[in-house]
Amino acid sequence: AQSVAQPEDQVNVAEGNPLTVKCTYSVSGNPYLFWYVQYPNRGLQFLLKYITGDNLVKGSYGFEAEFNKSQTSFHLKKPSALVSDSALYFCAVRDFSGGYNKLIFGAGTRLAVHP
Amino acid sequence: ETGVTQTPRHLVMGMTNKKSLKCEQHLGHNAMYWYKQSAKKPLELMFVYNFKEQTENNSVPSRFSPECPNSSHLFLHLHTLQPEDSALYLCASSQETGRTNTEAFFGQGTRLTVV
Repeated sequence: AQSVAQPEDQVNVAEGNPLTVKCTYSVSGNPYLFWYVQYPNRGLQFLLKYITGDNLVKGSYGFEAEFNKSQTSFHLKKPSALVSDSALYFCAVRDFSGGYNKLIFGAGTRLAVHP
Repeated sequence: ETGVTQTPRHLVMGMTNKKSLKCEQHLGHNAMYWYKQSAKKPLELMFVYNFKEQTENNSVPSRFSPECPNSSHLFLHLHTLQPEDSALYLCASSQETGRTNTEAFFGQGTRLTVV
């Protein structure tokens, strides 16, 4: 079965510093990977997705993610964090088992950006 | 707005009540999902509807009953719930045409409290 792991429950970053939120994956076949963000009392918002052949993916709000096949990782990054980036971040992988598609999510990482 | 609307946003119900959660998507998608988000737990996929047919039921208790009358609407009927069913219930939709790397769009969720 496809799965993703987010090893950090929380990441703390000072405003203006670069941030990284980690995600590793376990898939059979080609991985289809996603990042979502959730602000308090809101649903999940799509940030970016991995498209085959382009290891550095750019998404919304200045976020990007780097696909690394040898390390089976898809870490989310941003060069300069904002306080407004504080939220819950989810990595997800597409699962095609059973003849239909669905997203399987990691446990989430809470990002806290301090002024 | 993501094009996926959930009502109500908040719901408090007693264990003997019957209520329904509603989800509507305006994106022309052909697949809809119910996820459960509990505190400190990963998102749990509950139900998948593809082309209005239910294609997955992840061992969800029978006190949760989904209904998908058409490809734009999805309901979750609730009865005889338990306090541990209190959670954020998220609806999502996506366009599924084989093994595609399409993202899902989420509603803002219904915060359910069972008393």
